[in-house]
Amino acid sequence: DAKTTQPTSMDCAEGRAANLPCNHSTISGNEYVYWYRQIHSQGPQYIIHGLKNNETNEMASLIITEDRKSSTLILPHATLRDTAVYYCIVRVAKDFNKFYFGSGTKLNVKP
Amino acid sequence: DAGVIQSPRHEVTEMGQEVTLRCKPISGHNSLFWYRQTMMRGLELLIYFNNNVPIDDSGMPEDRFSAKMPNASFSTLKIQPSEPRDSAVYFCASQFIRDHQETQYFGPGTRLLVL
Repeated sequence: DAKTTQPTSMDCAEGRAANLPCNHSTISGNEYVYWYRQIHSQGPQYIIHGLKNNETNEMASLIITEDRKSSTLILPHATLRDTAVYYCIVRVAKDFNKFYFGSGTKLNVKP
Repeated sequence: DAGVIQSPRHEVTEMGQEVTLRCKPISGHNSLFWYRQTMMRGLELLIYFNNNVPIDDSGMPEDRFSAKMPNASFSTLKIQPSEPRDSAVYFCASQFIRDHQETQYFGPGTRLLVL
């Protein structure tokens, strides 16, 4: 159930901001945008989520466009440990069984 | 908290054998999810429990797969008999569903190889 579109891969220099885009043009009004990442050989890790407003936590910032059809995950100062596959997921909050991870974006942070 | 605990971390077995994967969710979480990840199909939800009751098992591939949650702190995923195409990484995740915005926390996974 492909509700999101992400680039297959991206490169980022260590210490620079990493901006990962996600298109979700068919998002419904009650659907949230979630971001997870999966570092090689580990389980997916929650990063951040939001509905309409921009959100920030200790890991990242989430910028959601006003029409909600796209969003950007920002890692302000990427490190080599941020190399991972990043998944953008949209779902209705109460639909706990509808977490479709898709293919994600492989972020390569380079020295 | 130790996070979601899964065992074994690696399992190698022969076709036809029974495989049992185990999961201990985060204490206090009331929902548990089993996922399977392969290169071809990505991450797929197999089954979801809420308060120890299976709510959605539509992702379970076939009758060879079964899952139980006898109490709030333990769940098993069993494959009997196992087949080579079952080779994958199996993840367990738990969540505390309170205000429906809570997120899922994943375990480290069990890497299963069926020969």
